[in-house]
Amino acid sequence: DTGVSQDPRHKITKRGQNVTFRCDPISEHNRLYWYRQTLGQGPEFLTYFQNEAQLEKSRLLSDRFSAERPKGSFSTLEIQRTEQGDSAMYLCASSLVWGQGKNSPLHFGNGTRLTVT
Amino acid sequence: QKEVEQNSGPLSVPEGAIASLNCTYSDRVSQSFFWYRQYSGKSPELIMSIYSNGDKEDGRFTAQLNKASQYVSLLIRDSQPSDSATYLCAVGQGGKLIFGQGTELSVKP
Repeated sequence: DTGVSQDPRHKITKRGQNVTFRCDPISEHNRLYWYRQTLGQGPEFLTYFQNEAQLEKSRLLSDRFSAERPKGSFSTLEIQRTEQGDSAMYLCASSLVWGQGKNSPLHFGNGTRLTVT
Repeated sequence: QKEVEQNSGPLSVPEGAIASLNCTYSDRVSQSFFWYRQYSGKSPELIMSIYSNGDKEDGRFTAQLNKASQYVSLLIRDSQPSDSATYLCAVGQGGKLIFGQGTELSVKP
């Protein structure tokens, strides 16, 4: 079990540029999540996948954000035309699917810290 | 009303004392509840999960769940300075977890 891996760890970009982050989940986990966290707040849900299907996306998520998980393994999160308000820690997590309406715990990666100047 | 609410703190306790962290949630159908610890600049790490009413103990940590009151708590016994961190409550909602804003705990030597 190598854990959830995220790349890069830090990204500094200028406003208006596009950025892409990568997440490699724990290999046997079929669910993959993206969260965003700003200082003093808890992680905010963005979207999640089960295998390659994107099952839910936050209503608050701008259409500048897009995520993919093309083969049900790694995932990418792209932010187009970045704004200063996009500066945050972007967290990826993975989990197993459980039945009977229960959630299994999420295992988080180390995150990608985005700074938009 | 926020979906998951926690006191933001900071909560300060002396070393060796019991720290009590509280969380309320709004979705009555939620069945899965978690406590995560997050050190400054790090990602959240799982401490406890609880799915049934009552208490669940793991070492110095006890999670308590009361679904009728929509309330989850975490007790940390014999608090240590290394327990100083932000504690996040998370509640299952469909296939995802919703997090509270976190409670900052400071354990003073």
